Amino acid sequence: QQQVKQSPQSLIVQKGGISIINCAYENTAFDYFPWYQQFPGKGPALLIAIRPDVSEKKEGRFTISFNKSAKQFSLHIMDSQPGDSATYFCAASKNQAGTALIFGKGTTLSVSS
Amino acid sequence: DAEITQSPRHKITETGRQVTLACHQTWNHNNMFWYRQDLGHGLRLIHYSYGVQDTNKGEVSDGYSVSRSNTEDLPLTLESAASSQTSVYFCASSSSGTAQETQYFGPGTRLLVL
Repeated sequence: QQQVKQSPQSLIVQKGGISIINCAYENTAFDYFPWYQQFPGKGPALLIAIRPDVSEKKEGRFTISFNKSAKQFSLHIMDSQPGDSATYFCAASKNQAGTALIFGKGTTLSVSS
Repeated sequence: DAEITQSPRHKITETGRQVTLACHQTWNHNNMFWYRQDLGHGLRLIHYSYGVQDTNKGEVSDGYSVSRSNTEDLPLTLESAASSQTSVYFCASSSSGTAQETQYFGPGTRLLVL
């Protein structure tokens, strides 16, 4: 059973456009939702994260929107740039000792110039 | 600067051989993780450790083992390599606490099992 479902699998966006990646989760005990960014040939790195006490978190051009009732969260990249071309992973976890992050399957974003 | 390193970066081996992938971090992090990344499957957790002598199975642990004898290292062993274990392997670490601490990933090891 896939606990974190991510879509789309791939995305092509024009430079300057908005990139939107969606994730849905099943476990209502999840209370931490990070996004990781991975460039080709590199390991993933934390991009931005949100907790369910807020509905939105913005850092520069990157925004997480969170809908607790729908059990969904999304990453919005405003004014997308070719340098944003990467694979993006959403993830979720519980605040419980001994547990681990559950990752989505990833979205490969290509921003065309 | 503190870092996390993996070795080797590339490895070719034959079916049935034992293979060990090394992971070393200098952050003094208690938590360490091993993932495999395959097209269409994303990042899947193999094993993880929340401290010395602590190891836990992840989603895809069959055919893999780990041991944690010190804080800095978590080697991943493939007991008898299979072609299905051809993948890119990432090690990660995070500071003490739950899974909600930021994970810092290594550069990855690309493994080919022939």
